Amino acid sequence: QSALTQPPSASGSPGQSVTISCTGTSSDIGFYNYVSWYQQHPGKAPKLIIYEVTKRPSGVPDRFSGSKSGNTASLTVSGLQAEDEADYHCSSYAGRKIIFGGGTKLTVL
Amino acid sequence: EVQLVESGGGLVKPGGSLRLSCGASGFSFSNAWMSWVRQAPGKGLEWVGRIWSKSDGGIADYAAPVKGTFTISRDDSKNTLYLQMNSLKIEDTAVYYCTTYLNGYSEYWGQGTLVTVSP
Repeated sequence: QSALTQPPSASGSPGQSVTISCTGTSSDIGFYNYVSWYQQHPGKAPKLIIYEVTKRPSGVPDRFSGSKSGNTASLTVSGLQAEDEADYHCSSYAGRKIIFGGGTKLTVL
Repeated sequence: EVQLVESGGGLVKPGGSLRLSCGASGFSFSNAWMSWVRQAPGKGLEWVGRIWSKSDGGIADYAAPVKGTFTISRDDSKNTLYLQMNSLKIEDTAVYYCTTYLNGYSEYWGQGTLVTVSP
């Protein structure tokens, strides 16, 4: 099964909002409400920021939000801050396996 | 505090074997489903596989590229997760992360251990 499709890069100025898309198929994102998003700073382990499409783990700011429409999931970061500059990875359950996207590098201008 | 600590990475020749370990603390390891995720240098994340808790059957599932060559196991008495990697290829070079697993997501991650497969 192919990786989920993410744009390689995204950017925004401090205070702005940016949305990162993650496109799959009717066998993964379109079928299951098990989409998650991870933030990864250089040299660090990934950190879960969104799970089950829209839920935030304790401690994750509400500036991060997730949604899904059809076969595409989205991560929106509102009120961009300098520390949001990182790589963002989406993933989806796909029937006893997990598929990741290729990752999106978010730059805060 | 949940802690996951991987070990066992290193340099190995193509065709060789390596066993990674992941020591867990701060949660009920025996009841947890666990997974391995890897990241090749400069690349995205790739799911390697997952193992159910023994009470749920202890079944392991694998990604297609490693099925038949990698084996995930667990020793609940030692709170340790393992990844046995055989017939290693250059493309298996990556940082390997141990994670908790639930409903398709990985909440807790270790710091990762680097596996380099090179002649």
